[in-house]
Amino acid sequence: NAGVTQTPKFQVLKTGQSMTLQCAQDMNHEYMSWYRQDPGMGLRLIHYSVGAGITDQGEVPNGYNVSRSTTEDFPLRLLSAAPSQTSVYFCASSYEIGGAGQYFGPGTRLTVT
Amino acid sequence: SQKIEQNSEALNIQEGKTATLTCNYTNYSPAYLQWYRQDPGRGPVFLLLIRENEKEKRKERLKVTFDTTLKQSLFHITASQPADSATYLCALSSDYKLSFGAGTTVTVRA
Repeated sequence: NAGVTQTPKFQVLKTGQSMTLQCAQDMNHEYMSWYRQDPGMGLRLIHYSVGAGITDQGEVPNGYNVSRSTTEDFPLRLLSAAPSQTSVYFCASSYEIGGAGQYFGPGTRLTVT
Repeated sequence: SQKIEQNSEALNIQEGKTATLTCNYTNYSPAYLQWYRQDPGRGPVFLLLIRENEKEKRKERLKVTFDTTLKQSLFHITASQPADSATYLCALSSDYKLSFGAGTTVTVRA
């Protein structure tokens, strides 16, 4: 099993550009989520999904879109990048939320200039 | 508002000693509390989960306690080793979401 994979590992965008961060898992997990991690602030939930076709907002959803067309994939779209979106982004998956530990991907380091 | 606080950003201890980390929370009623380890440049790795009706959980040299009255969890690393040096995160589950504390960085000196 590859676990949770994320691409790209690094990305530099100019303000106003859009892009999609890819996330895939091969563990048949229903629950997937996206977090951003900023120094001193811990992990903050952006969006999550409890199954294919079902998504919901987390703590900091503004400026991001998600969709879940398959169990395996959960891409995160930045609509119009802003410097405030400079961060490290992590995707995670689990059998359930709370009652099971989450498996995290290696992260994408995004810089918006 | 909901808040998760982990004690001090950094903890330096001597090899062989026990490291004790604290996770306090307000305005949550979590059914589960989880602990993760994160190394620099990597994603968090799940360590332990404890349920609200459990007082204590152990895994090898790790021990977690959960006091829902005090709204606090303690995370202990016994017989610490330099390889235990990392940032440790606590997380609470509520309404299909997992909320994380900012983490405590542990450095174990040989």
